[in-house]
Amino acid sequence: SQQGEEDPQALSIQEGENATMNCSYKTSINNLQWYRQNSGRGLVHLILIRSNEREKHSGRLRVTLDTSKKSSSLLITASRAADTASYFCAARSGSARQLTFGSGTQLTVLP
Amino acid sequence: KAGVTQTPRYLIKTRGQQVTLSCSPISGHRSVSWYQQTPGQGLQFLFEYFSETQRNKGNFPGRFSGRQFSNSRSEMNVSTLELGDSALYLCASSPGTGGTYEQYFGPGTRLTVT
Repeated sequence: SQQGEEDPQALSIQEGENATMNCSYKTSINNLQWYRQNSGRGLVHLILIRSNEREKHSGRLRVTLDTSKKSSSLLITASRAADTASYFCAARSGSARQLTFGSGTQLTVLP
Repeated sequence: KAGVTQTPRYLIKTRGQQVTLSCSPISGHRSVSWYQQTPGQGLQFLFEYFSETQRNKGNFPGRFSGRQFSNSRSEMNVSTLELGDSALYLCASSPGTGGTYEQYFGPGTRLTVT
């Protein structure tokens, strides 16, 4: 079963625009993580936000977490063609020791 | 530090055969997790090993098994392969188990079952 569900499933934007992806999860969490995957390759960890945090920044990335709504969002500012990839949220809940991944958002940044 | 390595990168097998995939974690990492990724089911957790012990297991049949060696390298084995086992198998390592550790993924092994 998947803990996180991403929205939208696919997103296409122009270079320079901002991209926002949303993730909803089902149970209470210890932390929520975002990963990027380039086509057919391994995942790259982007950012981790703990359940007691509301917002976190890393370079052009901004992640927010709303535990009352069981949702998180990933904002990529000033997107580049190199940001084209699939983005996954992954939740680690208190009872589960493993990360449970969402279905992912396919982001395409057009030059 | 060298990243997570997985061998082989690509594999083609026939139904009914068995396969062994290998994962070498980042030096110093003691936890290795395995995931299966398919277009239909997405990323699904298989199991996690820490200090040579299986710490957690996903909802997969017993045909899927794994082990971890004293140097933290891990192998997973799939016996009696089925067409539905065709997938990208990803291995991830982390310094510890559970908690707030981020996972570092390898490039994956692409398994095709014909």
